[in-house]
Amino acid sequence: GQNIDQPTEMTATEGAIVQINCTYQTSGFNGLFWYQQHAGEAPTFLSYNVLDGLEEKGRFSSFLSRSKGYSYLLLKELQMKDSASYLCAVNAGKSTFGDGTTLTVKP
Amino acid sequence: EAQVTQNPRYLITVTGKKLTVTCSQNMNHEYMSWYRQDPGLGLRQIYYSMNVEVTDKGDVPEGYKVSRKEKRNFPLILESPSPNQTSLYFCASSLNPGYNYGYTFGSGTRLTVV
Repeated sequence: GQNIDQPTEMTATEGAIVQINCTYQTSGFNGLFWYQQHAGEAPTFLSYNVLDGLEEKGRFSSFLSRSKGYSYLLLKELQMKDSASYLCAVNAGKSTFGDGTTLTVKP
Repeated sequence: EAQVTQNPRYLITVTGKKLTVTCSQNMNHEYMSWYRQDPGLGLRQIYYSMNVEVTDKGDVPEGYKVSRKEKRNFPLILESPSPNQTSLYFCASSLNPGYNYGYTFGSGTRLTVV
């Protein structure tokens, strides 16, 4: 089976940097994904990691360590619109999602 | 515009009355999947399909059926809905969810079974 853990809630200040962690235990691994989901909306794809290391996409970066079963999503220069739920997902033949981390950005 | 379209957006129905939620994608994606999302339980996979006429159970398939007769369509069928199937449902498609494509999700269907 697959088990994915991420914090339930986080709060950060506009303009700051926040790191959302994700740990996973899976049988097999084809890649780790991060999605953003605003309240009442569908998830949207943010990033993909399959090799160890950091992938950067503008203000968002995602890191993976396969040996540790660990990933994080780093959000820089936080904006109010970044308030959303962030879902970690692992593909090991099929895709399994974590429960999501609700990020609140305060002025 | 590349998209996944699911209908209806909202549905209230009664226990036992068969219903179908439609899902269609215009991106020629091989993979399609149905998820349900419940508070505190996250997104859970119901069924997925890797190609036409190929479907497989996800983590919570009980009480649901799917079919994939054409590449673009992947309807979700609830033969006899029950209140515990009240949830937010998402259809999703991908070129290959195991690579750097991720899923494109539909807008969701909020189903209430009374």
